[in-house]
Amino acid sequence: GAGVSQSPSNKVTEKGKDVELRCDPISGHTALYWYRQSLGQGLEFLIYFQGNSAPDKSGLPSDRFSAERTGGSVSTLTIQRTQQEDSAVYLCASSLAGKTSVGHNEQFFGPGTRLTVL
Amino acid sequence: GEDVEQSLFLSVREGDSSVINCTYTDSSSTYLYWYKQEPGAGLQLLTYIFSNMDMKQDQRLTVLLNKKDKHLSLRIADTQTGDSAIYFCAESVGGSQGNLIFGKGTKLSVKP
Repeated sequence: GAGVSQSPSNKVTEKGKDVELRCDPISGHTALYWYRQSLGQGLEFLIYFQGNSAPDKSGLPSDRFSAERTGGSVSTLTIQRTQQEDSAVYLCASSLAGKTSVGHNEQFFGPGTRLTVL
Repeated sequence: GEDVEQSLFLSVREGDSSVINCTYTDSSSTYLYWYKQEPGAGLQLLTYIFSNMDMKQDQRLTVLLNKKDKHLSLRIADTQTGDSAIYFCAESVGGSQGNLIFGKGTKLSVKP
């Protein structure tokens, strides 16, 4: 079956421009996560959606970052007024269950969007 | 706050065993994970261990957990060139199965 997909795979933008990154989770997965992977760094949690609950935005690094998830499926991560330090690979993951469930909860990752801010 | 530490590089010869180590801080983590990232690809779950276990074996992979020291290791037996990748250790946050806190990853290089 189809896995998590992300688009675009690569995005080059100029400093100060806005960008939108898209994530299509696995069908039926209620939880969706965004992470950022910077060169030489681990994965940094950004935001988490679980069903219709309010998202956990505790990882967003600044108010230039926002995300939404429409209809409990597709998610868009928006970065406004991009800065060079925003250059990274942005990874999306989805899982069947989230914080309210018990048991192991595997997150399935997409291939990522490589963002380069010139 | 939560933090996961792992060494950044490991180099082994083909056929040897590889051991990748990780330390974590959240004693309430319910599950601990090892993910593999091949070049240009997303992360793939390799294996996980429940916090009340101290060992889990899955074919060439052995996970050891020392909960007292908050130390996790991944042993790959008979390492192959195809095992070359970045390996991430991750802990579930605050006992939940939601967010994961990842280490920076260990780049494993396998020399023929």
